[in-house]
This record gives sequence, structure tokens and C-alpha cells, in this order.
Amino acid sequence: GQQVMQIPQYQHVQEGEDFTTYCNSSTTLSNIQWYKQRPGGHPVFLIQLVKSGEVKKQKRLTFQFGEAKKNSSLHITATQTTDVGTYFCAGTLFNTNAGKSTFGDGTTLTVKP
Amino acid sequence: DAGITQSPRHKVTETGTPVTLRCHQTENHRYMYWYRQDPGHGLRLIHYSYGVKDTDKGEVSDGYSVSRSKTEDFLLTLESATSSQTSVYFCAISEGWTYEQYFGPGTRLTVT
Repeated sequence: GQQVMQIPQYQHVQEGEDFTTYCNSSTTLSNIQWYKQRPGGHPVFLIQLVKSGEVKKQKRLTFQFGEAKKNSSLHITATQTTDVGTYFCAGTLFNTNAGKSTFGDGTTLTVKP
Repeated sequence: DAGITQSPRHKVTETGTPVTLRCHQTENHRYMYWYRQDPGHGLRLIHYSYGVKDTDKGEVSDGYSVSRSKTEDFLLTLESATSSQTSVYFCAISEGWTYEQYFGPGTRLTVT
């Protein structure tokens, strides 16, 4: 079945340092979404990427979708303590009509003040 | 936050007992999903629904059943709970074509 691998599993950074998490799929994706889950909370939708090579920015967050639509990355510039949480990618298979996504296992970010 | 509620929010039950978790939405979204979240496993899809009375299995559906008799409600039933089903259960909804999902607050289930 479709697999979505996410690395690293954990990342510890000093406040102000940058952070990147990577998502890789074994198959071509129709689109990919990114979610953030704060400790004790529920996943919250951040963004969706659809086009090959697409780059989107949200303040300090930069999201990229690979040219082959099999990988994606989330980069945070100058991390803050408010960035703490687990970041998940979720990929949707090409040509599915069920809206079913496969989630990566997530990258848990901790930020030391 | 989208209008999604889950009940109960916490439950402790004994092995072998039936358990039903409820997800209720006020957004009139077509798709509804049940996930479980365990340490080291991220979010794993149990079952999903693409309309009233239309459901399908996810990757970890054994031991679970679902029902959707109304657009707003999606029920997850553990027919005979086991300790391996101790987990946090999240419901999610989506409009479908755009695929982003909005999650409920979760239910923490402990099977003793």
C-alpha cells in the first residue's frame, strides 16, 4: 500500500535556529497537506500543495512540493517556542475519489528557549 | 475551529465490553474519518465515510465497525474492546474535493 515516510522523527533545536522536516512517498501524489499538532491537542490543517514544484509561505514557514510530486518539505526559519509540536504530512494518491490520505508518522519539534 | 465534537472525551472500559464513540459535525461535510493515534505510529485510518450509509475500511479496521445514518453523525464501535485498542481516537471531516481535513478534539480510550 501507499507509504508516506517522514524524517526526522524528532528534532530538538535552540530557539532561533531553523528546522526542516521531510516527507517522502513511494507513489506519485495528487496533493499533500501539512498539519500541526500541539502537545495534548488535535491536528490542525496548515496548508495544501497541489502543483509540481509548488512553494508556499506562511510567515516563517515554507512548504515545498517536489517536481515529481513524491516528496515535500516544511521549513521553519528562526524557530520560536510557539512552534513546538508535531508536524505531519498527509498525501493523497493520484486519481483517488475518496478523499483518503495517508499520514506520515510526524516530526516532533522541541524548542529550547 | 470547525464544528466537530467527539463524545465521550475520556473513557475507561474493561476488556471484552462494547464501546461506541460518537463524532458529530455541524459543517455538513460529506467525508468523515476515524483515526487512532499511538506513540510512534502517527495517525492511522480506521474507517471513513463518503456519504450517508457509505463507508469503507482504512488500514487498521480489524475489531472496529462504523455507521453513518445521518450526515452529521459518524459512530465508531469496538464490538469487544481489547487492551491493544487503548489509544487516542480522532474524528475528522472534509468537504471531499479539496481534501484538507479538520479534526475533532479526540477521545482518550483506555481498555483495562
